[in-house]
Amino acid sequence: SQQGEEDPQALSIQEGENATMNCSYKTSINNLQWYRQNSGRGLVHLILIRSNEREKHSGRLRVTLDTSKKSSSLLITASQAADTASYFCATVIQGAQKLVFGQGTRLTINP
Amino acid sequence: DVKVTQSSRYLVKRTGEKVFLECVQDMDHENMFWYRQDPGLGLRLIYFSYDVKMKEKGDIPEGYSVSREKKERFSLILESASTNQTSMYLCASSFGQVGTDTQYFGPGTRLTVL
Repeated sequence: SQQGEEDPQALSIQEGENATMNCSYKTSINNLQWYRQNSGRGLVHLILIRSNEREKHSGRLRVTLDTSKKSSSLLITASQAADTASYFCATVIQGAQKLVFGQGTRLTINP
Repeated sequence: DVKVTQSSRYLVKRTGEKVFLECVQDMDHENMFWYRQDPGLGLRLIYFSYDVKMKEKGDIPEGYSVSREKKERFSLILESASTNQTSMYLCASSFGQVGTDTQYFGPGTRLTVL
């Protein structure tokens, strides 16, 4: 099974609302990263949170990390149509040399 | 800004052909990666390289090989393409210790093997 699993798999909200996506993982990590992918394109890095951090902000994005629950959440506030994309969490397992991606949450912002 | 380019956005090949996918990055990154992305399976790491002429197998290396003759270029080779290699292929690069830094992705190559 996946190291990182996003929830929900798909989310549809109205423009202006907040969107929350969750990521759970199984083993101890060095850091956790969130990426966005617009349809049919490459991934774009959004934010990195280290294992000793609990919360991080970047513009309208807020990421939290709870290492005791092995989970993270991505909050997008005041959503815009341009936020329509798939969002992936990726974890770096301690001792490993690679990112492990989840299957993503597909977010649709309705005008 | 970091730029990662891939040689083709779309590619159609026949079963048994040898296929080369090229990736170039312009930020002098040590690390380069090849992933494939399939519906329901997410991104899976095929190979990565942390230095020129160095390569490491990822999670699904079977049927693929790679070449890194120059720091900026990382090639993925399908020795004999098969229909189950139809997929989106994504190249990425990063600086510093593998796994700790942001990865920068190219736009992807959608490969269809007939």
